[in-house]
Amino acid sequence: QSALTQPASVSGSPGQSITISCTVTSSDVGSYKFVSWYQQRPARAPKLMIYEGSQRPSGVSNRFSGSKSGNTASLTISGLQPEDEADYYCCSYAGGAVFGTGTKVTVL
Amino acid sequence: QVQLVESGGGVVQPGRSLRLSCAASGFSFSNYAMHWVRQTPGKGLEWVAVISHDGSNAYSADFVKGRFTISRDNPQNTVYLQVNSLRAEDTALYYCARDIAWKVLSGDLDVWGKGTTVTVSS
Repeated sequence: QSALTQPASVSGSPGQSITISCTVTSSDVGSYKFVSWYQQRPARAPKLMIYEGSQRPSGVSNRFSGSKSGNTASLTISGLQPEDEADYYCCSYAGGAVFGTGTKVTVL
Repeated sequence: QVQLVESGGGVVQPGRSLRLSCAASGFSFSNYAMHWVRQTPGKGLEWVAVISHDGSNAYSADFVKGRFTISRDNPQNTVYLQVNSLRAEDTALYYCARDIAWKVLSGDLDVWGKGTTVTVSS
């Protein structure tokens, strides 16, 4: 059972903004300081989209942004595009990495 | 270019062992921690283990329970995952991935291989 809980699915129309949440459910909330986010398209390896909570690796669109409030981290995709349709996972490292439950993003 | 290529997967009977390999190229391998992550069919990602850039520290997920061992050979630019006492629930696609940080362990994985499939079946 993951200590990071995500909604199973989020959808939006092209051009809209969507937000995926990642809530720390562990009693050891303080250990999960930073969250990273990964995009995984079907039959592809995961791709790092956000690290250290809000940093974008080189080459990642600025339409992707990360934030955190309390024990919940969020990934926002603005200007939603068809190619954003994928599974998204949050992840945090605290003596070992823990992935979130995953969210399927559908572009309507 | 920066690349990770996994190998060593296959179909094995329960209780048997495999050694997975991950060959790195295009970057200074000895300066990065390396991770193994697995994904069961149709399911989510599950972190397996990490080894520090110099091999001096290694950590693994609780479910490993001493069955898996991560190691690395820096001159050969290769990281390994020895998987023993395999169970049906270990059936998965096993990825290796590079930690984004230089000589420290951040848990952020910026380069991934395509994975190698392990199927445990009698």
